[in-house]
Order: sequence, then C-alpha cells, then structure tokens
Amino acid sequence: DAGVTQSPTHLIKTRGQQVTLRCSPKSGHDTVSWYQQALGQGPQFIFQYYEEEERQRGNFPDRFSGHQFPNYSSELNVNALLLGDSALYLCASSVTGGAESPLHFGNGTRLTVT
Amino acid sequence: QQQVKQSPQSLIVQKGGISIINCAYENTAFDYFPWYQQFPGKGPALLIAIRPDVSEKKEGRFTISFNKSAKQFSLHIMDSQPGDSATYFCAASMGVWGSGNTGKLIFGQGTTLQVKP
Repeated sequence: DAGVTQSPTHLIKTRGQQVTLRCSPKSGHDTVSWYQQALGQGPQFIFQYYEEEERQRGNFPDRFSGHQFPNYSSELNVNALLLGDSALYLCASSVTGGAESPLHFGNGTRLTVT
Repeated sequence: QQQVKQSPQSLIVQKGGISIINCAYENTAFDYFPWYQQFPGKGPALLIAIRPDVSEKKEGRFTISFNKSAKQFSLHIMDSQPGDSATYFCAASMGVWGSGNTGKLIFGQGTTLQVKP
C-alpha cells in the first residue's frame, strides 16, 4: 500500500521564479494538506484541499496556491520565489468525514531558493 | 492563542531511561493532540494522539499524559532506545470531532532526542 508520495525530492530555484510541487495521497485518502517546514522548526500549515476546493488556509500570502485533481492528487504552486521560501514542503493526506483520521505525511520536497 | 509551546528543545537520555517532552497550549477549542516523530530526511509520522476528555493514553512504550485544567500535555517514552533518537513534535487541532478532519495541525517547535547506548 503506497503511502504519500511527493515529487521532486529536491529542487533548486532562483529568486523570482515559480515552482510547482506534486503530491499523491495515500490510497483511500481524499484530503490533502500542505505544510512548510523551515530548518529546525515545526511544520506550518499552508492550506488544505478537499473535493477539489481549498477548505482551510494558514497564514501564507497569495503567492502560495494549490490545486486538487479528481484523483485526489494535489499541486502546490509558489510564485515570485523569495529566499525565505527555502524549506521542506510536506504533503499530508487524510480522510474527511466520520471518525478522526490521522495525517499521513510524505517525505517532502526540499526547496532551495538562491 | 494559536501557539503550542514545546520544551525542552533538546534532550539526552541514557538507554533504558525515560524521556519526557512537554507541551502547553492556550486555545481551549483544541480537541485533538497528536505527537509526531520525525527522522532526518523523512516526513513526520504519527506516534500517538489523545482527546481532551482522556487524561492518559498508552501505546507500547509511548504514553501521553493530558492535563486539561493546566492546558498541558506530555509525551513519556519508557525504556528509551537508541532507535528512538529523532525529533518529536507535539501538535493540536480543533473541530476534529465534528468532521474527522485533522488536517490543520498547529505544531510545537520540536524536541531533538538523543538516546545514548
């Protein structure tokens, strides 16, 4: 049973560029959440997608946007990259509705902005 | 109000000892409190979680103690092993029990645990 998969694993971009990160949720999961983890810090919630719509959003600027596809996979897009966007970007999946559904995280995409 | 404060930042324990990590929160609307373990180069993995109407939950060597009145909760790792060396995060979420949605977690700053052989 494949868990949460993310691609690419590493990425180097230049300030001002745009980047797209991809995530496939765990089999059976319908909800995808994205987190940003700076070095030495806890993950910070960016947003969550369910039924192809953004359902919740954390304190991130509009430069961060996303999408969820009918097969539940998701993309995170970041425009006009800043040096401060360098971080590990984590995707997590879960099931919405019913009993508590723990988050399952992928291993992340390490983004370096130079 | 949305913060979860975690301590200590780092912890060194001898093999076989007890590791204790503490967290505190302010927002009484939080209704789900998980602990995650993260190894270098990996994403966080759920260890154990608790609801605020339960004072203690144990799974194997891992125990969560929850003090609702003090708005604090802690992770105890009994018989700590070198393989437990990792970074541990507490977290909190709200509105879980109506929707099952645990997606918007507020994480603590993390505790790096080293278990010496």
